Amino acid sequence: QKEVEQDPGPLSVPEGAIVSLNCTYSNSAFQYFMWYRQYSRKGPELLMYTYSSGNKEDGRFTAQVDKSSKYISLFIRDSQPSDSATYLCAMYSGGGADGLTFGKGTHLIIQP
Amino acid sequence: DADVTQTPRNRITKTGKRIMLECSQTKGHDRMYWYRQDPGLGLRLIYYSFDVKDINKGEISDGYSVSRQAQAKFSLSLESAIPNQTALYFCATSDFSSLETQYFGPGTRLLVL
Repeated sequence: QKEVEQDPGPLSVPEGAIVSLNCTYSNSAFQYFMWYRQYSRKGPELLMYTYSSGNKEDGRFTAQVDKSSKYISLFIRDSQPSDSATYLCAMYSGGGADGLTFGKGTHLIIQP
Repeated sequence: DADVTQTPRNRITKTGKRIMLECSQTKGHDRMYWYRQDPGLGLRLIYYSFDVKDINKGEISDGYSVSRQAQAKFSLSLESAIPNQTALYFCATSDFSSLETQYFGPGTRLLVL
């Protein structure tokens, strides 16, 4: 079992819908939880990050971390066609010892 | 200009050939990384460097080597390319104070025949 599990999709929803993207993980040492967005033929770019458990909101995006369940989510409100991309969750234990551990990414399609 | 650049952007090579992928950054970050991305497998860490004198193996370093020529430059070499090294390769950088925030280059698409 990989350390980070993420459904690759594709996930197709109509414009304006609320999107829920999720990852589960097994390493209880993870402390930092990130969501990266990757457009086709581009490098990933950081969308949001959360330290430890809790919620974080940035515009239409909300990140949630539940460390007790080892489950993280990204919600996108009022989804737009420009949100169509692959969303990768990533995790890190802290201390600078190594790099990030990524999920496989979920391919999201917002239908106009 | 882009903060993290990679050359070449696309490369086709043959089995057994030596190939080098180059990465340069203007962000002034001390940490640099090489990842490969494969369909269905996501991003996997090959090597990372915390400064010019510090090189570390990642999850999948076999068949690869790296060189940190300067703070701004980090190269990835395939000494003898094989077809299963066909992938999309990304370089990334981060500041020592915020490793969780990594800045990725545009990627190099490599095909090994």
